[in-house]
Amino acid sequence: QVHLVESGGGVVQPGRSLRLSCAASGFTFSSYGIHWVRQAPGKGLEWVAVKWYDGSYTYYADSVKGRFTISRDNSKNTVYLQMNGLRAEDTAVYYCARGQQWEHYFDYWGQGTLVTVSS
Amino acid sequence: DIVMTQSPDSLAVSLGERATINCKSSQSVFYSSNNKNYLAWYQQKPGQPPKLLIYWASTRESGVPDRFSGSGSGTDFTLTISSLQAEDVAVYYCQQYYNTPPYTFGQGTKLEIK
Repeated sequence: QVHLVESGGGVVQPGRSLRLSCAASGFTFSSYGIHWVRQAPGKGLEWVAVKWYDGSYTYYADSVKGRFTISRDNSKNTVYLQMNGLRAEDTAVYYCARGQQWEHYFDYWGQGTLVTVSS
Repeated sequence: DIVMTQSPDSLAVSLGERATINCKSSQSVFYSSNNKNYLAWYQQKPGQPPKLLIYWASTRESGVPDRFSGSGSGTDFTLTISSLQAEDVAVYYCQQYYNTPPYTFGQGTKLEIK
C-alpha cells in the first residue's frame, strides 16, 4: 500500500527558512520521481519541483527557483524541500506526489502540510 | 511554459445527468513518436488531496468508476461524467506532463449539483 506522508510545515516569518519532508512507503522508492505541488488557500494547484527517480534531473517552478531546493535520500525513502527566503505568497498546503519514472502524472499524493508565511 | 485553460470555471448539473469539463492547452501535448497525449485529470474534494482519474488523456486509473471518461487530442480535451452522482461534487483539474517541467495545471472547474 503506497503511502506518502509530509511533515515540517508551520508558521514562519517572511525571509526565514523551513524544510519539508516526504516519507514514502509501500513501493520501490528509487524507481519513481517525487514531486512537490502546492495549493494556496482557496486556490488551484501549482507544481513546484521534482527530483527524478535516480536523482539525475531536478526542476523547479520559476516562482521558487533559487530559493527552494529539492533533494532525496533513497536510503531513507524520503524527499525534502528546503525552502529559503520565504514570502507571503509561498503560503500554501504543500503536497508530495508520486510521478512515474519518465511520465509525470501523479498517481499517489500525501495529505499535505500547511506552510504559513506571516509576520 | 504550457498554459492550461479549463472551461467552465463552475458547473451545476442535475443528478443522473451528464457533466462535461473542457481543457485547452496553449500548445500540443501530443507526442507523435508514441501516439500519446500527455494529459491527466484529477478530482479534489474539500480537505482532501487530489485524486488521479485519467492519464494519457483517456486511460482511466484503476478503481475509477467507468462513468468518468476522458477524450481529446493535441490541444483540446474533455472530461465527461456520464451520469452525475452526489459523490462527484468536487473541483476537477487537468494537468499536462509533456516534455520537461513545469507540469502545469488548469485553474480548476468546480462541479456542483443543480
